[in-house]
Amino acid sequence: EAGVAQSPRYKIIEKRQSVAFWCNPISGHATLYWYQQILGQGPKLLIQFQNNGVVDDSQLPKDRFSAERLKGVDSTLKIQPAKLEDSAVYLCASTKQPPEAFFGQGTRLTVV
Amino acid sequence: KNEVEQSPQNLTAQEGEFITINCSYSVGISALHWLQQHPGGGIVSLFMLSSGKKKHGRLIATINIQEKHSSLHITASHPRDSAVYICAVVQGAQKLVFGQGTRLTINP
Repeated sequence: EAGVAQSPRYKIIEKRQSVAFWCNPISGHATLYWYQQILGQGPKLLIQFQNNGVVDDSQLPKDRFSAERLKGVDSTLKIQPAKLEDSAVYLCASTKQPPEAFFGQGTRLTVV
Repeated sequence: KNEVEQSPQNLTAQEGEFITINCSYSVGISALHWLQQHPGGGIVSLFMLSSGKKKHGRLIATINIQEKHSSLHITASHPRDSAVYICAVVQGAQKLVFGQGTRLTINP
């Protein structure tokens, strides 16, 4: 079974630029999560999708972050414009049968 | 106070030592994950448990639901075990709440 795929693995951008991350969950997994993990901390939920609907986006900074999951499969997370404090690892996870969860390799973002 | 607390935050040991990482939580849960994160950032699920004890190779995970506490043990530790170990609890059906992680370094 293929795992959760994320791209890119690494990204370096200047502050005020825009960036997008992509996640392809495991086939058949209805639930998809995006997490932000700042260095030295545990992951923090940004947004949770059930198919293509949003279940929880209460911690998503909506003034600069957006996410979509068209057709209930792939998802993209965008930051526009980026700030220095957005430097973090962005993790995507998916699940078919809660409480199981499968994680991607993450995208390490550095904002300079 | 975080809902999920891990201890210690950092642990350095010599190869061969028995390792214990602790996780305490303050909320009701349906399950608990122990996760391993290597320097590249990717996370691998080691265990998911809701009661009792699970063993996989040199890794053992236990949970005490009444005391809201779980432990991850590594026997005969090896430098390749060096990683960040994260405890995450499952609230309700699908909400994951993570601890801050324990950075483990095993020296040869």
